[in-house]
Amino acid sequence: NAGVTQTPKFQVLKTGQSMTLQCAQDMNHEYMSWYRQDPGMGLRLIHYSVGAGITDQGEVPNGYNVSRSTTEDFPLRLLSAAPSQTSVYFCASSYLGRISEAFFGQGTRLTVV
Amino acid sequence: AQKVTQAQTEISVVEKEDVTLDCVYETRDTTYYLFWYKQPPSGELVFLIRRNSFDEQNEISGRYSWNFQKSTSSFNFTITASQVVDSAVYFCALSAGTSGSARQLTFGSGTQLTVLP
Repeated sequence: NAGVTQTPKFQVLKTGQSMTLQCAQDMNHEYMSWYRQDPGMGLRLIHYSVGAGITDQGEVPNGYNVSRSTTEDFPLRLLSAAPSQTSVYFCASSYLGRISEAFFGQGTRLTVV
Repeated sequence: AQKVTQAQTEISVVEKEDVTLDCVYETRDTTYYLFWYKQPPSGELVFLIRRNSFDEQNEISGRYSWNFQKSTSSFNFTITASQVVDSAVYFCALSAGTSGSARQLTFGSGTQLTVLP
């Protein structure tokens, strides 16, 4: 059972570079989301999607873009990386419309230098 | 707006001691869901429990138990006879005003639990 798969696990970027964090789930979940985890702050919601073609902003969306072309995939794009985006990123998915917990990927540790 | 407070940043206990992790939440919604997740040193997030706002029954699962009190807006987590493998960061989270799925979770800042042998 793959569940939620994130790639890469680790990444180092230079300031100003762009990159895409990949997230895929095989549970046919309608709802997908991205969180960032920073020391002492728990996890904060960046963007989320309730289905293919539908995305919305969370608490900390600036500097990130998302798209949802399929149910399975929900990539997160950093347009121009900044040191403030150094963090651990988690993708999560869950059912919509019924009781469910969120299933998380393994996380991506991103360092921007 | 929702808020989750985990006032205990770090807790250290000796193996076999009982330990309680506190979680206080704020929401104006009458329908909401509370979750606990464990993050071991390996970094993944492991789901432990989900509780909805209409169910105040306490729950016990092995050495784990949860006490939900709407009157004090608290959802505390107790580990009985702690073990070294319980060492992890524990997060409390809230999802409010939804159909029950874990949408737009608001997380507390986490409690680092260290169990010493």
